[in-house]
Amino acid sequence: LAKTTQPISMDSYEGQEVNITCSHNNIATNDYITWYQQFPSQGPRFIIQGYKTKVTNEVASLFIPADRKSSTLSLPRVSLSDTAVYYCLVGSSYSGAGSYQLTFGKGTKLSVIP
Amino acid sequence: DTGVSQDPRHKITKRGQNVTFRCDPISEHNRLYWYRQTLGQGPEFLTYFQNEAQLEKSRLLSDRFSAERPKGSFSTLEIQRTEQGDSAMYLCASTGMENYGYTFGSGTRLTVV
Repeated sequence: LAKTTQPISMDSYEGQEVNITCSHNNIATNDYITWYQQFPSQGPRFIIQGYKTKVTNEVASLFIPADRKSSTLSLPRVSLSDTAVYYCLVGSSYSGAGSYQLTFGKGTKLSVIP
Repeated sequence: DTGVSQDPRHKITKRGQNVTFRCDPISEHNRLYWYRQTLGQGPEFLTYFQNEAQLEKSRLLSDRFSAERPKGSFSTLEIQRTEQGDSAMYLCASTGMENYGYTFGSGTRLTVV
């Protein structure tokens, strides 16, 4: 499984755009990049997944350069409620009968300041 | 169906006691996972079910741990002879065949005193 490296923590003011970068130098050809968000005392919540270029949904955008050795989660105009831990995961999507284990690192603790 | 449900949310037990947690996945999801999370760490994989069959177990799952998923619906995780090192958040997640993103429950926080 490809290992990921992301900052331990980040601070941001309300209303700013936040970009969290994740390095995954050993990403495999069939690996996807997935981001989860976790609030205290809750389970992680799926935010976004991508394979290459750019993916956007109602919550965030995910930018993946051509070499796919890194990715950037972009959160537009953060609010206090975006304070959470954000995890970057890399792995192949499920196919066949095998499981799809998620390998979490320590994540990035984002603190949004009023 | 409102998501993955876990019960209880919190459990405090004395060392040496047995505890059992329950997970109700999203009804149409045939894949169910248990993870454990300690303070400051990301969740760690424990075990995986496809329908009623337990197909994978982590080395983290010692002999004191047992998980079941009768009839491929809800699942239980039992810890026998609890130890202080078992104190953690136990998370359940489910996904369908397409596996596009897990849905996690809110977890059961176990404290062994």
